[in-house]
Amino acid sequence: AQSVTQLDSQVPVFEEAPVELRCNYSSSVSVYLFWYVQYPNQGLQLLLKYLSGSTLVKGINGFEAEFNKSQTSFHLRKPSVHISDTAEYFCAVSRASRGATNKLIFGTGTLLAVQP
Amino acid sequence: SAVISQKPSRDICQRGTSLTIQCQVDSQVTMMFWYRQQPGQSLTLIATANQGSEATYESGFVIDKFPISRPNLTFSTLTVSNMSPEDSSIYLCSVGGIETQYFGPGTRLLVL
Repeated sequence: AQSVTQLDSQVPVFEEAPVELRCNYSSSVSVYLFWYVQYPNQGLQLLLKYLSGSTLVKGINGFEAEFNKSQTSFHLRKPSVHISDTAEYFCAVSRASRGATNKLIFGTGTLLAVQP
Repeated sequence: SAVISQKPSRDICQRGTSLTIQCQVDSQVTMMFWYRQQPGQSLTLIATANQGSEATYESGFVIDKFPISRPNLTFSTLTVSNMSPEDSSIYLCSVGGIETQYFGPGTRLLVL
């Protein structure tokens, strides 16, 4: 079975500062990794995903994440945040096996609170 | 990508009643998923719905409480039956393949 741990429930940061949201996963099989963002009172939007290939993945809104297999991590980063980045961020994992169900396992989320 | 709509967007219900949530997709999809997001919590998968077959429920969720219909490749419903305040949550449907999933805007349910 897969599991996801988001180490920080809340990350306060000042506008234009860099930010890293941490995500670690556990799995005995190969996985796909995802970051989703949920703005207040909205559904989930896919930020980026790692399926294979380059371990550095670039997503929308200037976010990027790096897959580190040895550390089983998939941390999300942005060099300079904006007020509009204030949202809940969810890391998720799914099995990368043909025939497997498409079930996503979500972490508990990290609230990114950008302050002026 | 897929455009997903849900109805209602929010509702306030009395305990003991039932609410049916609709999910409509703008393209034909094989698998649809229903998730629950309890207040301040992460998302938990309720069930997977394939067209033409019974939904597959995750541990802790049963058909009597959360019956699901999947009449065609673009539509599904989730019913929350005999509601209690503990059912107050956001209910989201999603579609997609193994490499990505798209989510609807959610239905915000408050049970009094």
